[in-house]
Amino acid sequence: ETGVTQTPRHLVMGMTNKKSLKCEQHLGHNAMYWYKQSAKKPLELMFVYSLEERVENNSVPSRFSPECPNSSHLFLHLHTLQPEDSALYLCASSPYSDNYGYTFGSGTRLTVV
Amino acid sequence: SQQGEEDPQALSIQEGENATMNCSYKTSINNLQWYRQNSGRGLVHLILIRSNEREKHSGRLRVTLDTSKKSSSLLITASRAADTASYFCATSGGGADGLTFGKGTHLIIQP
Repeated sequence: ETGVTQTPRHLVMGMTNKKSLKCEQHLGHNAMYWYKQSAKKPLELMFVYSLEERVENNSVPSRFSPECPNSSHLFLHLHTLQPEDSALYLCASSPYSDNYGYTFGSGTRLTVV
Repeated sequence: SQQGEEDPQALSIQEGENATMNCSYKTSINNLQWYRQNSGRGLVHLILIRSNEREKHSGRLRVTLDTSKKSSSLLITASRAADTASYFCATSGGGADGLTFGKGTHLIIQP
C-alpha cells in the first residue's frame, strides 16, 4: 500500500449507469489529482484539487464530475459514459509545495460496456 | 498538451547491464520527476530533480537534467529482473497544478 487507497479496483458499467470512484489518503497531503491512463497515450490530467478547491479542469467532459469533501477524500462521479472512457483511473496526492513527488493509488480499471 | 517525450519507447537489456532512458520536454519547468509503473498498477515516484540542479543520485539511479536542451536522462545501473517496468518522466511548472507526463519507456530486463 502506498498510502493512497482507491476503490474499487475494477469496475464494469453500462453506458446508462451511474457509479463513483473513491480515493482516500491519510498522508497529510493537501493536493489531490485524478489522472486517466489509456493504452498508448500519456497520462492525462483530469482534475486538481488544492486545499479542497478545484484548481484545474482540463476540458474534461461533464459526464465526469469530481468531488472533494475534505483533504483526505476525493471522488469521481461517473454517468452516461462512453466505451472510449474505458481506462485506468489513477488518483494521486502531494504536499502543497511543488518540490515533492506524487503518491499514486493502484488505480481503478474501468470498463464501459 | 503532452510535455515529456521519452526515448526509447521500449528497451530490452540483459540483467546486470545499465539502462539509460531519455526525456525531452518543451516548456520551462520548475522540476522534473521520474516514475516507475509495474503492469496495470499505480505509479511509484523514483526521483525529483529541480531546474537548478544538473545531476542527482539515489541508490542505483542517476538522473541528469540539461535545461538548455530541455532534456533529462535516467540511468539505472546493474539492472535486475525486478526493474522490468514502464518508466515515465513528468514535468512541473510550479505550484500544485499537476504534473505532465510522457508516454513512457517500457524496460525489459532479461534474466
